[in-house]
Amino acid sequence: QVQLEQSGAEVKTPGASVKVSCKTLGYTFSTYYVHWVRQAPGQGLEWLGVINTSRGTATYAQTFQGRVTMTSDTSTSTVYMELSSLRSDDTAMYFCARRMATIDTKYLDYWGQGTLITVSS
Amino acid sequence: EIQMTQSPSSLSASVGDRVTITCRASLGIRSHLTWFQQRLGNAPKLLIFGASNLQSGVPSRFSGSGSGTDFTLTISSLQPEDIATYYCQQTYSTPWTFGQGTRVEIK
Repeated sequence: QVQLEQSGAEVKTPGASVKVSCKTLGYTFSTYYVHWVRQAPGQGLEWLGVINTSRGTATYAQTFQGRVTMTSDTSTSTVYMELSSLRSDDTAMYFCARRMATIDTKYLDYWGQGTLITVSS
Repeated sequence: EIQMTQSPSSLSASVGDRVTITCRASLGIRSHLTWFQQRLGNAPKLLIFGASNLQSGVPSRFSGSGSGTDFTLTISSLQPEDIATYYCQQTYSTPWTFGQGTRVEIK
C-alpha cells in the first residue's frame, strides 16, 4: 500500500540547516508530485512547496524562496526538503504528501507521519 | 496568492447534530477545493476532493458542496470520533493555501 515514511525528529540551533527525507513506497515514484506542508505548534497548516519527482524541478512558496530546496532521488524513491538559516519560528512539524491528479482536479491524498524540527539555542 | 477563510474557527455540538463548516476563497477556484480532518497528534486525513467527492473509506455522513468562491463541509450526524480540526485547501493555483482551520468539539 502507499506509504510515505519521513526521517526522525531533529533539534537545530538558529542559523543551521536541516534536511528532512520522505521515502515513498507502494507506487510508481516518478508518476506523482510530492508537496511539503508544515505546522507550527498549535497553529494551522502552511504550504512550503512542491517537487516534480520526474523532472526534479520545484516550486516554492514566496515566504520560503531562497531558504528552501526540494530534491528527489528516483533510485531510492525519496524526496528531500532542506531548510536553511533556521530561526526559532521554523520550529514545526513538517509533512510530505503525495499529489493525486485527475482530469478534474488535484489534491493531496497520502501524507507522511511528520517530522518535528525544533530550533533552539 | 489566494486567501482561504474558514468559519467558524471553532464549534461545539452534540452527538447526532448536523454540523456545517464554510470556506471562502478570495478568488474563484472553480471546484479545486479539498477538505482534511486532523486529529490531535496526527497528519491530516483527506475527506473530500474536488469540492464534493468523498474519498474512499470516509463515512458517508461527510459531504462537501460549492463552487467558485464559497464551499461547505457538512457532517450530517456528528459522532464522537469526529472530534478534530478541519481544514480546507485550494488546489487551483500555487501556493496551495489552507484555511485557518475549524476545531470541532462535543458539547
